[in-house]
Amino acid sequence: AQSVTQLGSHVSVSEGALVLLRCNYSSSVPPYLFWYVQYPNQGLQLLLKYTTGATLVKGINGFEAEFKKSETSFHLTKPSAHMSDAAEYFCAVYNQGGKLIFGQGTELSVKP
Amino acid sequence: SAVISQKPSRDICQRGTSLTIQCQVDSQVTMMFWYRQQPGQSLTLIATANQGSEATYESGFVIDKFPISRPNLTFSTLTVSNMSPEDSSIYLCSVGDFAEDTQYFGPGTRLTVL
Repeated sequence: AQSVTQLGSHVSVSEGALVLLRCNYSSSVPPYLFWYVQYPNQGLQLLLKYTTGATLVKGINGFEAEFKKSETSFHLTKPSAHMSDAAEYFCAVYNQGGKLIFGQGTELSVKP
Repeated sequence: SAVISQKPSRDICQRGTSLTIQCQVDSQVTMMFWYRQQPGQSLTLIATANQGSEATYESGFVIDKFPISRPNLTFSTLTVSNMSPEDSSIYLCSVGDFAEDTQYFGPGTRLTVL
């Protein structure tokens, strides 16, 4: 069965610092992986996804993620954090039934 | 990507009452889903809304508590019945886009039950 583990329920970085949000998955088939962002009092917005092909995926707002099969990871990064990046971030994987399985989420705080 | 709207955006309800949440999509979609996000938690799939047939519920969710309608390919409703404070959550509608292998989410309905 597919599952997702996000390491760290809360991450705090300074403005301008590197953002690294960790996601590891478990899947018995080639995974489709996603990162979503939820800003305060809003719904979920798709940041980026990996289905097939290039393992380094670029998304919106300067975020990118790299699919590493050997490490079963799909970590989200951004070279320089902005105050506007403060939000909840969810990693997700499709299961074999075509349903999204979400991680527990990581709250990102950005300090001035 | 599809544009998804939900009504109401938020509501405060009394225990024992029911609330119906509407989800409208700007294009025809095959797959529509309803999720619950309890305070401080991740998203949990409630059910898949099937057009023209009964919804498919996930373990732990039942039709009597969360009846779902899907009269056409652009609209669905979720009713939260006989509410208790434990039902206070964000309820999100999402649609599946097979061409993009992606799900898109609505803005959510924030429900508080007193």
